Amino acid sequence: DQQVKQNSPSLSVQEGRISILNCDYTNSMFDYFLWYKKYPAEGPTFLISISSIKDKNEDGRFTVFLNKSAKHLSLHIVPSQPGDSAVYFCAARFTPPPVGSQGNLIFGKGTKLSVKP
Amino acid sequence: GAGVSQSPRYKVAKRGQDVALRCDPISGHVSLFWYQQALGQGPEFLTYFQNEAQLDKSGLPSDRFFAERPEGSVSTLKIQRTQQEDSAVYLCAIKVLGRGRGYTFGSGTRLTVV
Repeated sequence: DQQVKQNSPSLSVQEGRISILNCDYTNSMFDYFLWYKKYPAEGPTFLISISSIKDKNEDGRFTVFLNKSAKHLSLHIVPSQPGDSAVYFCAARFTPPPVGSQGNLIFGKGTKLSVKP
Repeated sequence: GAGVSQSPRYKVAKRGQDVALRCDPISGHVSLFWYQQALGQGPEFLTYFQNEAQLDKSGLPSDRFFAERPEGSVSTLKIQRTQQEDSAVYLCAIKVLGRGRGYTFGSGTRLTVV
């Protein structure tokens, strides 16, 4: 059973518009969430994170929102650029980790974002 | 990614062959992780090292998978008697402090078992 779910396998947006990528989780023990971006033939690159004690974190064009009661987070990219086209992974971890599972991240399946010029 | 070098980038193995995948992190990183990413899936945790100690190997799918980090820097993931279901990208990651608890991943090794 997937603990981190990204229900949209793909998303297409126009350059300059907002991209919204969604992520749901089932385990209330998660209290740190991260977004990664992945280009083909490269490893995932850390993008932005949020602690459960916050509901919003912003870094330039990227903002992550967390709704703990709904167990839902979203990544907003505005304005979207063609270079943002990639697969975006939502990930969650326990903090502090259980004994023997130090810092393990649990990933969703990813959403492929295409930003069209 | 910068800070983690993986080799080889691509590996084709015949079923039943043993393979060894290498991860070479920038020196000084205590925590090292291995993940497996199957096609169309997100990365899945395999194992974790703190220096040379393998503290968690709960994600290793079978006893054919073995990882080591004898001197606390370079790590090797070995898969014995490879099977088709082992085909995946194997990612190595280090924990980066002070960056919102993000991890830096290498570019991975794409293993194809034929």
